[in-house]
Amino acid sequence: AQSVTQLDSHVSVSEGTPVLLRCNYSSSYSPSLFWYVQHPNKGLQLLLKYTSAATLVKGINGFEAEFKKSETSFHLTKPSAHMSDAAEYFCVVISNPYGQNFVFGPGTRLSVLP
Amino acid sequence: DAGVIQSPRHEVTEMGQEVTLRCKPISGHNSLFWYRQTMMRGLELLIYFNNNVPIDDSGMPEDRFSAKMPNASFSTLKIQPSEPRDSAVYFCASEQGTEQYFGPGTRLTVT
Repeated sequence: AQSVTQLDSHVSVSEGTPVLLRCNYSSSYSPSLFWYVQHPNKGLQLLLKYTSAATLVKGINGFEAEFKKSETSFHLTKPSAHMSDAAEYFCVVISNPYGQNFVFGPGTRLSVLP
Repeated sequence: DAGVIQSPRHEVTEMGQEVTLRCKPISGHNSLFWYRQTMMRGLELLIYFNNNVPIDDSGMPEDRFSAKMPNASFSTLKIQPSEPRDSAVYFCASEQGTEQYFGPGTRLTVT
């Protein structure tokens, strides 16, 4: 079975400092992995995705994630946090080789302090 | 494209009433997904369609929930009768390749 673990339910950083949101997955197939962001009272927006190409993936708003097969991880990073980054972040794995049935992690709430 | 469109954005209803949520996927997308988001359970996949055909409805919580996709540009999620525990945000998403695009959601409150 496929699953996603987001190790931190809440991360708090100061504006201008680095962001690290952790994600580990398990998958029976070569996974496709995604990060989605959800701002308060808004829908989900795709930040970035990994689909077996380059292991370092760049997304929108300065976010990056690196796929590490040996560690079964897909951590999300950003060098310098901005107040507008405060949101809920979801790591997602596709649970079958046909590209459907996303499995969502529980989410990590990012707070950015001034 | 306007993206995935959901209506209504907010719905408040009384227990026992029928509720219908609507979704218009992005034109050309072949797959459509219904999710429910609550504080307790996070995001749950309820059902998804491929080319208007329901593929997996194992996430539908019980018989009170039903979903249809009569054509490629429209889907409904119906709850009859509704209960307070159905209160949640319901998202619709359509898929192109391996990317899902989410609608803004419908916030349902059942009193």
